[in-house]
Amino acid sequence: DARVTQTPRHKVTEMGQEVTMRCQPILGHNTVFWYRQTMMQGLELLAYFRNRAPLDDSGMPKDRFSAEMPDATLATLKIQPSEPRDSAVYFCASGSPGPGGTYEQYFGPGTRLTVT
Amino acid sequence: AQSVTQLGSHVSVSEGALVLLRCNYSSSVPPYLFWYVQYPNQGLQLLLKYTTGATLVKGINGFEAEFKKSETSFHLTKPSAHMSDAAEYFCAVSDRGYSTLTFGKGTMLLVSP
Repeated sequence: DARVTQTPRHKVTEMGQEVTMRCQPILGHNTVFWYRQTMMQGLELLAYFRNRAPLDDSGMPKDRFSAEMPDATLATLKIQPSEPRDSAVYFCASGSPGPGGTYEQYFGPGTRLTVT
Repeated sequence: AQSVTQLGSHVSVSEGALVLLRCNYSSSVPPYLFWYVQYPNQGLQLLLKYTTGATLVKGINGFEAEFKKSETSFHLTKPSAHMSDAAEYFCAVSDRGYSTLTFGKGTMLLVSP
């Protein structure tokens, strides 16, 4: 049963610290998405990659967030320095094109980040 | 830009009652439409999708949704609610040929005995 995995599942850190979240997409999926979920904003797309190349990161605060795909089995999202307003659940999703160009996105379980 | 409106942040039903969760989208061209479900402390799981063809789409766990172009709607229904259906439900759209999804704010479904 192929799944997207994310680590860590929970992270509590102090303001100013660096946070790194990792995602392993489903093998064979060529597109990886990063989302942030908060009560106030709902689900927001932060960035996404296709074939490891960044396609759009306009949803990310550029001064503190960065996303990379060092290889096809690993995507990372870093926050440096972290701030309390970054507290949220961060989801990774992966997918590949289906009939008609549609993508089904498969979500990981999320990383719950708390910045104090 | 696409937008999705889910009417009602919370919907309460009794076990065995009809479930109706509403979703309207704004697009000049019919998009691809999705419903996802999120159980507590879990990621989103695809319930069903509409791309082309039959406008009534059946999904997992007895849910179905109907695409109505004239109403720009894609409402989710289930004839008889179960306690296990209690979760948050998200409607999402994507432009044809694009991979990104735009999500609605979500509707929390509460099921009482």
